Amino acid sequence: QKEVEQNSGPLSVPEGAIASLNCTYSDRGSQSFFWYRQYSGKSPELIMFIYSNGDKEDGRFTAQLNKASQYVSLLIRDSQPSDSATYLCAVSGGGADGLTFGKGTHLIIQP
Amino acid sequence: DAMVIQNPRYQVTQFGKPVTLSCSQTLNHNVMYWYQQKSSQAPKLLFHYYDKDFNNEADTPDNFQSRRPNTSFCFLDIRSPGLGDAAMYLCATSKRVGPGETQYFGPGTRLLVL
Repeated sequence: QKEVEQNSGPLSVPEGAIASLNCTYSDRGSQSFFWYRQYSGKSPELIMFIYSNGDKEDGRFTAQLNKASQYVSLLIRDSQPSDSATYLCAVSGGGADGLTFGKGTHLIIQP
Repeated sequence: DAMVIQNPRYQVTQFGKPVTLSCSQTLNHNVMYWYQQKSSQAPKLLFHYYDKDFNNEADTPDNFQSRRPNTSFCFLDIRSPGLGDAAMYLCATSKRVGPGETQYFGPGTRLLVL
């Protein structure tokens, strides 16, 4: 059974600093990795996806993937109070099997 | 704008009274998914359709059923809701399957069972 693990937090980061969010997964067959942001009471919103080892940058966000260690991370540079949310890590095996989500990390950006 | 729409946004039902949640999409995506998310929990996949092919997750209770009458619409039927079925129900779509294929989520329907 696929498992995705995240530290539930809360993770508190000062405004302007780098927030680092981590995720591990159990299924070595996982091929696609996603980070979603979810505000309280709202649906998940895609931040980034990555499926090759290494780093992928998009604006203030950088996703990092290490398949050998089964580890995915998300870095948020120049953190803003509006970044305060729960960040969900999700993995997919590449087939039509949906996403397996972690429980999410609650991030708080302190002004 | 192309989007995923869920109705209603909030649904209150009584214990044991059947309820249907609706999802529609204007993205013309082939795949539609239903997830259940309970408070402070991860979204959990219930089932999905790849075109007309229905795929049920092994641990989805029989109480949950789904219909996809056409490409645009997909319904979640809960035949006899219990108190434990209170949750946010999320519909998502993707154009295809494969590495990097993105799922787009609707706003969700919050179900309350009295």
